[in-house]
Amino acid sequence: GESVGLHLPTLSVQEGDNSIINCAYSNSASDYFIWYKQESGKGPQFIIDIRSNMDKRQGQRVTVLLNKTVKHLSLQIAATQPGDSAVYFCAENNGAGNQFYFGTGTSLTVIP
Amino acid sequence: DTGVSQDPRHKITKRGQNVTFRCDPISEHNRLYWYRQTLGQGPEFLTYFQNEAQLEKSRLLSDRFSAERPKGSFSTLEIQRTEQGDSAMYLCASSLQGAPRNEQFFGPGTRLTVL
Repeated sequence: GESVGLHLPTLSVQEGDNSIINCAYSNSASDYFIWYKQESGKGPQFIIDIRSNMDKRQGQRVTVLLNKTVKHLSLQIAATQPGDSAVYFCAENNGAGNQFYFGTGTSLTVIP
Repeated sequence: DTGVSQDPRHKITKRGQNVTFRCDPISEHNRLYWYRQTLGQGPEFLTYFQNEAQLEKSRLLSDRFSAERPKGSFSTLEIQRTEQGDSAMYLCASSLQGAPRNEQFFGPGTRLTVL
């Protein structure tokens, strides 16, 4: 299957700082990407998505950047809060079906 | 709470036993997915239903695994002759075909421990 991975398995940031979580993917045919947040004991929760015809998308306090040239995806969280502490996954879909391939995950810890 | 429920939340079983998990999706969602997640890893796709039809199956889904969605609403995932390697979190998700974004709403998962 596709290979989707994250550069940093753990990330610690001070409350109020910005966080950047990175993700690399290997399938150049992937055309849709989602970032998920997973808190302990819960299932993944949708944060933001982006299609391959875009290179940037903004939500509330979050921005996703897509660089198709180097097959890289990032999630930026502005003014990180303690409630942002969780594991973050990127997932890709190649448009050929309904399978999403998830990366390994980055554990974000926000220090008060 | 996303509206997707799973039962049981935890299951401990002995190797060789059969187990069955249930997922109740959001009521109007016609698509239902099963994933497996091991510690520190992202969810791995297992299978997908559209209404009652099982349309996609991962090669991860060995012949010991079977999933059903008989009435296009709830789904069950059965694992026969469990092995220790089956220990994982089993996640269910649902989505609505044609929704503006292909957002899958995940349930809390069933954590399986095979002794």
